[in-house]
Amino acid sequence: EPEVTQTPSHQVTQMGQEVILRCVPISNHLYFYWYRQILGQKVEFLVSFYNNEISEKSEIFDDQFSVERPDGSNFTLKIRSTKLEDSAMYFCASRVGQVPGELFFGEGSRLTVL
Amino acid sequence: AQKITQTQPGMFVQEKEAVTLDCTYDTSDQSYGLFWYKQPSSGEMIFLIYQGSYDEQNATEGRYSLNFQKARKSANLVISASQLGDSAMYFCAMRPLNSGNTPLVFGKGTRLSVIA
Repeated sequence: EPEVTQTPSHQVTQMGQEVILRCVPISNHLYFYWYRQILGQKVEFLVSFYNNEISEKSEIFDDQFSVERPDGSNFTLKIRSTKLEDSAMYFCASRVGQVPGELFFGEGSRLTVL
Repeated sequence: AQKITQTQPGMFVQEKEAVTLDCTYDTSDQSYGLFWYKQPSSGEMIFLIYQGSYDEQNATEGRYSLNFQKARKSANLVISASQLGDSAMYFCAMRPLNSGNTPLVFGKGTRLSVIA
């Protein structure tokens, strides 16, 4: 069964460092998302991406975040200068265009900022 | 804007019993979808069941069913014949269906513990 894959599964970084989280969505999916979940809290939307551009972003997704689809398959989230509060699980998700359009999630990338 | 409320931070259920996880929602959209996801301790988010706002029948998927009461704006998840492997966090979510790429909005979740 096709699945969304994310790398790395866990990354530890120093505050102020840049981090890139990578995702390979399911191949025939058209819509892509990044969500984050701070430990023990709700799943929060960061950004959605369609047709090679951002379609919607939350207030969390400030200037230190960026997304790219560099080669038509990978979908990356970059955090330019990490802060302690960026420590969270980051989920990539994708869906086809049709209703109901449930999101298929990757297994997440756990980011720990020290 | 959409809002999801899950009022039960934690629930316990005896193995083989049924359990209902509550979810209420608020939206001004006429056409929307309601989703339930399971998050086991390993962390991944697993899609369980979907209910469309125009669906007249309650959705069912194996041991999962969704008790959809549109007038009350509730979409409770019912798990029948609970198993130890059902112990997990459960998230209710929704999105409008006619708005392109509008993201899923999640509730805070309910932690279900199944007791042997």
